[in-house]
Amino acid sequence: SQQGEEDPQALSIQEGENATMNCSYKTSINNLQWYRQNSGRGLVHLILIRSNEREKHSGRLRVTLDTSKKSSSLLITASRAADTASYFCATERYDYKLSFGAGTTVTVRA
Amino acid sequence: EAGVVQSPRYKIIEKKQPVAFWCNPISGHNTLYWYRQNLGQGPELLIRYENEEAVDDSQLPKDRFSAERLKGVDSTLKIQPAELGDSAVYLCASSLPFRLAGDLSYNEQFFGPGTRLTVL
Repeated sequence: SQQGEEDPQALSIQEGENATMNCSYKTSINNLQWYRQNSGRGLVHLILIRSNEREKHSGRLRVTLDTSKKSSSLLITASRAADTASYFCATERYDYKLSFGAGTTVTVRA
Repeated sequence: EAGVVQSPRYKIIEKKQPVAFWCNPISGHNTLYWYRQNLGQGPELLIRYENEEAVDDSQLPKDRFSAERLKGVDSTLKIQPAELGDSAVYLCASSLPFRLAGDLSYNEQFFGPGTRLTVL
């Protein structure tokens, strides 16, 4: 069973716009991670936010975490065609097990 | 540095046939994972190895699935016999031992490109 649920399932935006996707989870976590998967490729780790952090930035990525609501958001600013991919949130429990959501498919139109 | 290597990249078999997937982790990564990713879903853990020991195989369907990591380096995942519902992408990942950061630790997993299995 999958711990996280991403919303929306799919997102289509114009190049240069921002893309926001959300993740909700059910149990207590050690950290939450976001991964990107290009079509037919493996997953690439993007960013990690620990359970005692509320916001984190990495380049054009901004992640927030609200442990009281058991939710996280990933913002991609100034999107590019190369950002077209599926994005997955993954929660790591205190037993170090990683559980992935079903993902958000992002399409960036030129 | 080479990433996680998996082979084959694609495999098409008929149901009831056996199939095997191979994974070579990043050098020095003693933790190895096998995941299954169904279409439109995120990966789900099948088995985790610490060196040659399977420390979590609770999600591995043991009636038809088996895995081994004999020398604690590369690993093989086998399905025998395959069923239609086994069609999926099988991902291998590896990581270093858990790193400590203050009182919280995490492990970053590096994924291979996966093997896409189609069972006809």
